[in-house]
Amino acid sequence: QKEVEQDPGPLSVPEGAIVSLNCTYSNSAFQYFMWYRQYSRKGPELLMYTYSSGNKEDGRFTAQVDKSSKYISLFIRDSQPSDSATYLCAMNTGFQKLVFGTGTRLLVSP
Amino acid sequence: KAGVTQTPRYLIKTRGQQVTLSCSPISGHRSVSWYQQTPGQGLQFLFEYFSETQRNKGNFPGRFSGRQFSNSRSEMNVSTLELGDSALYLCASRRRTGGEVTDTQYFGPGTRLTVL
Repeated sequence: QKEVEQDPGPLSVPEGAIVSLNCTYSNSAFQYFMWYRQYSRKGPELLMYTYSSGNKEDGRFTAQVDKSSKYISLFIRDSQPSDSATYLCAMNTGFQKLVFGTGTRLLVSP
Repeated sequence: KAGVTQTPRYLIKTRGQQVTLSCSPISGHRSVSWYQQTPGQGLQFLFEYFSETQRNKGNFPGRFSGRQFSNSRSEMNVSTLELGDSALYLCASRRRTGGEVTDTQYFGPGTRLTVL
């Protein structure tokens, strides 16, 4: 079983919808949680990161961590076609290299 | 400021051959990491170089090797290619080693390697 699990999708939504992207993990020592966005033919770029549990908001994006359930989420409000990309979660204990999920492909249609 | 550049962008090789991929980090960045990305396994860490020294290594066979030059540019080599080596190889740079959270790494666009 992988340390980090992520549904590959694709997840198709209409423009303006609220999108929920999720990852589960097995290592309870993970403390730092990140979300990367990867457009086609590009490398991943860091969107947000959170430490431990709780929420963090940045514009239309909200990252949520539930350590008791070993579950993290990224919410996108008022989704736009430009949000169409693959979203990867990543996490670590703070001392090791990042462990990435396989990514969820999101398609936002106009 | 120019981003991370990788060459070539696409490569087709046959089994048994070897391949060398190149990465030029962002100016001022001294740490370069390499990742393999496949649909099934996602992004997997290969190794990290800082100041011409390998600092971390992932769980890949010895056929995968790398090096870093004094100008921080890095190369990755895969010998005796196998079909399973077909993947997107990504390079990422950061200012220094360590600091996985506090020191953001910036990814290049990757080299798409196809092994026939």
